[in-house]
Amino acid sequence: GAGVSQTPSNKVTEKGKYVELRCDPISGHTALYWYRQSLGQGPEFLIYFQGTGAADDSGLPNDRFFAVRPEGSVSTLKIQRTERGDSAVYLCASSPGDSGGPFDTQYFGPGTRLTVL
Amino acid sequence: LAKTTQPISMDSYEGQEVNITCSHNNIATNDYITWYQQFPSQGPRFIIQGYKTKVTNEVASLFIPADRKSSTLSLPRVSLSDTAVYYCLVGGFNDYKLSFGAGTTVTVRA
Repeated sequence: GAGVSQTPSNKVTEKGKYVELRCDPISGHTALYWYRQSLGQGPEFLIYFQGTGAADDSGLPNDRFFAVRPEGSVSTLKIQRTERGDSAVYLCASSPGDSGGPFDTQYFGPGTRLTVL
Repeated sequence: LAKTTQPISMDSYEGQEVNITCSHNNIATNDYITWYQQFPSQGPRFIIQGYKTKVTNEVASLFIPADRKSSTLSLPRVSLSDTAVYYCLVGGFNDYKLSFGAGTTVTVRA
């Protein structure tokens, strides 16, 4: 079946601009996660949705970052007033959310590479 | 989540077995050990998970000693396509914040 998809695959923007990154999770998955990965590092947790609500947004670096999931499926990560330090790959993952076992296996998308000039 | 330590990089040749050891001295009783694999320009992919002794699937084997303070991911007869970053993670139920660390970059050469 279809996996997690993310659009765009690449986004180049200028410092100070607003960007939106989209994630389409696997159909039926109730849990959705956003991570950020800098060059040479592992992914870092940003936010976790269970259904439509953000269950944990403790990883968002500051109030310029915001994410929504209005219908419990597609999610959008929004970054205001982008800075050069925001440049990274933004990864989205989804999981069944049924906690049937440890680490309710997360399925990752290919990521969106954001470059802020 | 328990902290993990794994080598930064490993080199191998096609057809060889690759063993990556991960240390997790502070693993909790309810924690499981999970390994993810990440190819360039892709998101991480779950490959194997275990609690104790040995787990094997079509991709890899995971060896966990009795004290569970370390674990070894074994990749049999690697090919060029196994070149990737491998992450060791430790955590229990409801640990949804995956903590990846820098991982181990495995490079397979012809």
